[in-house]
Amino acid sequence: DADVTQTPRNRITKTGKRIMLECSQTKGHDRMYWYRQDPGLGLRLIYYSFDVKDINKGEISDGYSVSRQAQAKFSLSLESAIPNQTALYFCATSDPTGGAGEKLFFGSGTQLSVL
Amino acid sequence: AQKITQTQPGMFVQEKEAVTLDCTYDTSDQSYGLFWYKQPSSGEMIFLIYQGSYDEQNATEGRYSLNFQKARKSANLVISASQLGDSAMYFCAMRERTGGYNKLIFGAGTRLAVHP
Repeated sequence: DADVTQTPRNRITKTGKRIMLECSQTKGHDRMYWYRQDPGLGLRLIYYSFDVKDINKGEISDGYSVSRQAQAKFSLSLESAIPNQTALYFCATSDPTGGAGEKLFFGSGTQLSVL
Repeated sequence: AQKITQTQPGMFVQEKEAVTLDCTYDTSDQSYGLFWYKQPSSGEMIFLIYQGSYDEQNATEGRYSLNFQKARKSANLVISASQLGDSAMYFCAMRERTGGYNKLIFGAGTRLAVHP
């Protein structure tokens, strides 16, 4: 089984709908992240959480919200989806004991299309 | 200002030849980390190699090596003996500490095509 699991893998929705993307992990990491990937822009950080009570906005948090339900679960919500939120979304975890070498472990991604 | 710059949107290389993917970065931190990730067409993100800012030796992992030139703020990925399975997107990333938090930021990526 994957260490970082994202559901759903693909989602098509309509403008104005509320959407939740879910992420769960079995790596035991405290730190979790949501990124979105757009062609030509790489991966941009939406939100990150360094423990259950610590949630922070990334560089592109407008239009998104998150919930850290447990150490292992971190969900991303689009309150009212719009077409420019069409993107590939990644959840990731990391272990802070790596110091500057702290690397991210990614889920398989969720391809979201907003029509 | 862009923190991570990958100037090559696309590259191609003949199978079995070496290829260099460019990455430059901008930071005022003394302690930072540089990473390369591979994204094949299936979409997953695969960690390839890491270089710490204080590491004196260039990092190597099998056919991957990181040409780290600290004064020039560059961290180029070198893939030796390219294989068809190396065709993918490649992302350079830097870990920096801002606002008390340690975050990984990514470049725009380079798409590599390996030709037989």
